[in-house]
Amino acid sequence: TQLLEQSPQFLSIQEGENLTVYCNSSSVFSSLQWYRQEPGEGPVLLVTVVTGGEVKKLKRLTFQFGDARKDSSLHITAAQPGDTGLYLCAGALPSSYKLIFGSGTRLLVRP
Amino acid sequence: EAGVVQSPRYKIIEKKQPVAFWCNPISGHNTLYWYRQNLGQGPELLIRYENEEAVDDSQLPKDRFSAERLKGVDSTLKIQPAELGDSAVYLCASSLNKVGRLANYEQYFGPGTRLTVT
Repeated sequence: TQLLEQSPQFLSIQEGENLTVYCNSSSVFSSLQWYRQEPGEGPVLLVTVVTGGEVKKLKRLTFQFGDARKDSSLHITAAQPGDTGLYLCAGALPSSYKLIFGSGTRLLVRP
Repeated sequence: EAGVVQSPRYKIIEKKQPVAFWCNPISGHNTLYWYRQNLGQGPELLIRYENEEAVDDSQLPKDRFSAERLKGVDSTLKIQPAELGDSAVYLCASSLNKVGRLANYEQYFGPGTRLTVT
């Protein structure tokens, strides 16, 4: 069974601080996606990374795909209360349309 | 462009009762997914449709769950009879999957239906 582990599970930080969320697996993925989910809503796609070693930036968010395409990280610079939410990584299995989701990192940014 | 629409948003039923969820995907999206998300967990795939064909229903508990996607657009997911353990958020997602682009099939989620079975 493929498994995506996210860490930390919970993170509570002060506005302005930096943070990194990790997504790890023993499986190789053809692509990896990061979603953010707010209470009462469905996950919203933030980014897709495809190539090993790829780095993508979305304003204050930086996403990196591991060289071996087994892991990924999300770094947020100068976190703001609006960044609060559940961050989910999801790996796409090779030769499949199936996404495997991690259990998420719940982030709280305090003003 | 309208997003994925789901209804109802909330449903409370007693165990052993039937329940149905409805999903309208993004216009033009050929692939539709139903997920279940338990509290504190990520979504888990129940079934995937390519147009009107269910191509992956390996995780669907077929003794009580059923789904259909008539005409390859809207879809319904049904549970009959519901059990206490079915309490969860049921998410529908859609994507436009193109042949040969296996590495890029981004899924767009609806707001979900929160089911509580008492």
